[in-house]
Amino acid sequence: DAKTTQPPSMDCAEGRAANLPCNHSTISGNEYVYWYRQIHSQGPQYIIHGLKNNETNEMASLIITEDRKSSTLILPHATLRDTAVYYCIVRVASGNNRLAFGKGNQVVVIP
Amino acid sequence: EPEVTQTPSHQVTQMGQEVILRCVPISNHLYFYWYRQILGQKVEFLVSFYNNEISEKSEIFDDQFSVERPDGSNFTLKIRSTKLEDSAMYFCASTLGGSSYNSPLHFGNGTRLTVT
Repeated sequence: DAKTTQPPSMDCAEGRAANLPCNHSTISGNEYVYWYRQIHSQGPQYIIHGLKNNETNEMASLIITEDRKSSTLILPHATLRDTAVYYCIVRVASGNNRLAFGKGNQVVVIP
Repeated sequence: EPEVTQTPSHQVTQMGQEVILRCVPISNHLYFYWYRQILGQKVEFLVSFYNNEISEKSEIFDDQFSVERPDGSNFTLKIRSTKLEDSAMYFCASTLGGSSYNSPLHFGNGTRLTVT
């Protein structure tokens, strides 16, 4: 029941910015966009989330379009340790609400 | 930084046996979750838990599964009579919730359950 669309895979050059796209054209007004990643069967790792404004933290930046129908996760300087499956998830703003994972985007950082 | 911890990291059991997977959520979090991931497949929601009761469960979470918060720190998933198809990674997660209504879920590194 994932409501997002991501490319199944992409390669990124080490040291360059990695731009990971996500489409969520049916997003509702009370749904946030969350990004997680999963490195080699470890637990999903929270990266960032946002509602409508762009957000930045120590890991990444999140750019959300004005109509909120798509977003881009930016890893500013990709390293080999950023190789992972990246998940873009929309979630209703509620303390109880679960995350629904899709297949994600397998990102490989190439030396 | 506080983290969700899960034990054991790997559990091997025989078909038909009961297993208990253990999790210690982040201490001030109020909502707790179990997910599973069969090898090569998506991360799937099993159950959410709040205020000592199940909030939501998926169709996967049938009568062989149960969850419990036996004390103030642990959160457990019990599988009563394991089947081969229960072999998977099981992830526990927690979130603050409450007035922090958009707080993210934080996941542990999982228990790999192998049913033989």
